[in-house]
Amino acid sequence: GAGVSQTPSNKVTEKGKYVELRCDPISGHTALYWYRQSLGQGPEFLIYFQGTGAADDSGLPNDRFFAVRPEGSVSTLKIQRTERGDSAVYLCASSLANAGANVLTFGAGSRLTVL
Amino acid sequence: QKEVEQDPGPLSVPEGAIVSLNCTYSNSAFQYFMWYRQYSRKGPELLMYTYSSGNKEDGRFTAQVDKSSKYISLFIRDSQPSDSATYLCAMSKAAGNKLTFGGGTRVLVKP
Repeated sequence: GAGVSQTPSNKVTEKGKYVELRCDPISGHTALYWYRQSLGQGPEFLIYFQGTGAADDSGLPNDRFFAVRPEGSVSTLKIQRTERGDSAVYLCASSLANAGANVLTFGAGSRLTVL
Repeated sequence: QKEVEQDPGPLSVPEGAIVSLNCTYSNSAFQYFMWYRQYSRKGPELLMYTYSSGNKEDGRFTAQVDKSSKYISLFIRDSQPSDSATYLCAMSKAAGNKLTFGGGTRVLVKP
């Protein structure tokens, strides 16, 4: 596609439920990033994929958070046993490898609200 | 203390004025420096990208990096109401590394 697509755009769930957020990157972009942005804050890094493998998952806050990218394209961020503190906008970004690797294109985000 | 500090604003200027934004950082390992613009309920959009110290100009935008002072700046000339947004600085240690963002500065350009 022309840009990074994220679904759903909005998700309201109850505390303790399981949530999946999907990211469809720009075609041909091998690198894919997940960030989390709380209200009034800058994006915080969660995890980075190069192809199918997680190259850096140091930003995942705990074992309730997990992300996959099984075919090196679409990625899913999974959150188990959601907590109110998980409420935020989850941003996905993609980029080319090597020289273009810092030129990230972001999606519009998935806004998660945990009641 | 955060690795990257940015004044949250808001910064209010009249149309046509120069907007001056800056970030300070603590980690000397940062080599790549970026500025993103983010409109409400949208994802960040890359404005400027620089490597190491120096200046870079693109249209109405000028980015400056002073690694010796661990200080980066963005200047917007002839500001327009459409420049009203949150501006985020970001930096990384190497190409392909994660970006570390500042908290963002909200800018309002009044007609």
